[in-house]
Amino acid sequence: GENVEQHPSTLSVQEGDSAVIKCTYSDSASNYFPWYKQELGKRPQLIIDIRSNVGEKKDQRIAVTLNKTAKHFSLHITETQPEDSAVYFCAAPGANNLFFGTGTRLTVIP
Amino acid sequence: DSGVTQTPKHLITATGQRVTLRCSPRSGDLSVYWYQQSLDQGLQFLIQYYNGEERAKGNILERFSAQQFPDLHSELNLSSLELGDSALYFCASSVGAGGTVNEQFFGPGTRLTVL
Repeated sequence: GENVEQHPSTLSVQEGDSAVIKCTYSDSASNYFPWYKQELGKRPQLIIDIRSNVGEKKDQRIAVTLNKTAKHFSLHITETQPEDSAVYFCAAPGANNLFFGTGTRLTVIP
Repeated sequence: DSGVTQTPKHLITATGQRVTLRCSPRSGDLSVYWYQQSLDQGLQFLIQYYNGEERAKGNILERFSAQQFPDLHSELNLSSLELGDSALYFCASSVGAGGTVNEQFFGPGTRLTVL
């Protein structure tokens, strides 16, 4: 099955700075890469996703880039705010389910 | 609100006991997925059902079982509970059967505490 690796496991940034989280995957046939945000004690929520026919997708302060050749994709958050503090999970598809990365705990320091 | 409901929100029980967690998917979604999230851990995929049939299995223990009923709600049964089974259990649903291009919507989770 798919193997997804996510780095870093923890990330602290000053408010207003940018944050970057990176994931690699193993199955070259994978073509859908979502990112989920999970606030403390709450459910994971999809914040952005990218399909393999594009290399970058942006939604306000959040962007995702995909490099299919290298089999990695990244989440970029610009102008970070305290409410961005959460655990972020990347994922890649298997035949019938999503394989999640181990998560990145992002802390935005006011 | 994702449209996925889970009951109960919290469950406290003793070792050796058996519990049932319930999930109702979003209207129109045929797939249900179960995940386990232990403290400060990632999302461990347990099992997936699609339109009543088991479609994929992850790291699900033999003491655990699940089913999806004709009305598409699903139940996760955990038996002979151990302390290490204490975790958040999430249910998610999606329209289709596969992981590709199928966004998964998560329910609020059931927090299980085994004492």
